Amino acid sequence: AQRVTQPEKLLSVFKGAPVELKCNYSYSGSPELFWYVQYSRQRLQLLLRHISRESIKGFTADLNKGETSFHLKKPFAQEEDSAMYYCALGGMNRDDKIIFGKGTRLHILP
Amino acid sequence: ETGVTQSPTHLIKTRGQQVTLRCSSQSGHNTVSWYQQALGQGPQFIFQYYREEENGRGNFPPRFSGLQFPNYSSELNVNALELDDSALYLCASSLGGQAFFGQGTRLTVV
Repeated sequence: AQRVTQPEKLLSVFKGAPVELKCNYSYSGSPELFWYVQYSRQRLQLLLRHISRESIKGFTADLNKGETSFHLKKPFAQEEDSAMYYCALGGMNRDDKIIFGKGTRLHILP
Repeated sequence: ETGVTQSPTHLIKTRGQQVTLRCSSQSGHNTVSWYQQALGQGPQFIFQYYREEENGRGNFPPRFSGLQFPNYSSELNVNALELDDSALYLCASSLGGQAFFGQGTRLTVV
């Protein structure tokens, strides 16, 4: 069964410190992994997807199929990174549904 | 700013009533998905429509139903509302696996 696990509900990190938001998934097929972010009073939006291998706002995420993980990382946290982060799993087919984890609230401390 | 719009933004209904929520997809997107997001939870997949046909359903009872129209806009209908149906309902249109979300409809059932 498809499943996304984000073990941390809340992560507090000091400004300038490294950030790692954990995500593990379960999927029998070729997965496509995403990170979505929701800033205060804004709609849910795509941060990055593994297939594009981009760095967005300093964040990166590497798909590790052996560990079935897709952790989100940033070397130096900024205050504007405070938000709710959701890891999401979809399939490679156009019409595959996207399954979300429960989310991790990232709180950057000054 | 994405092109996905939802209406209404807020709604209060009484237990037992029926509700219809609407979603206008981003131009060119033929897939639309609906999610329920309870307070403090990640979005839960309700169902997906692809070219006017239901194409995948989550663990929601039959009183949750939907439609997709030829212009790819969509409706979510919920019959016999229950208190636990109170949540933020998100619509997402997608192309190539990337979902673009609307701002959501906050439904309160009293």
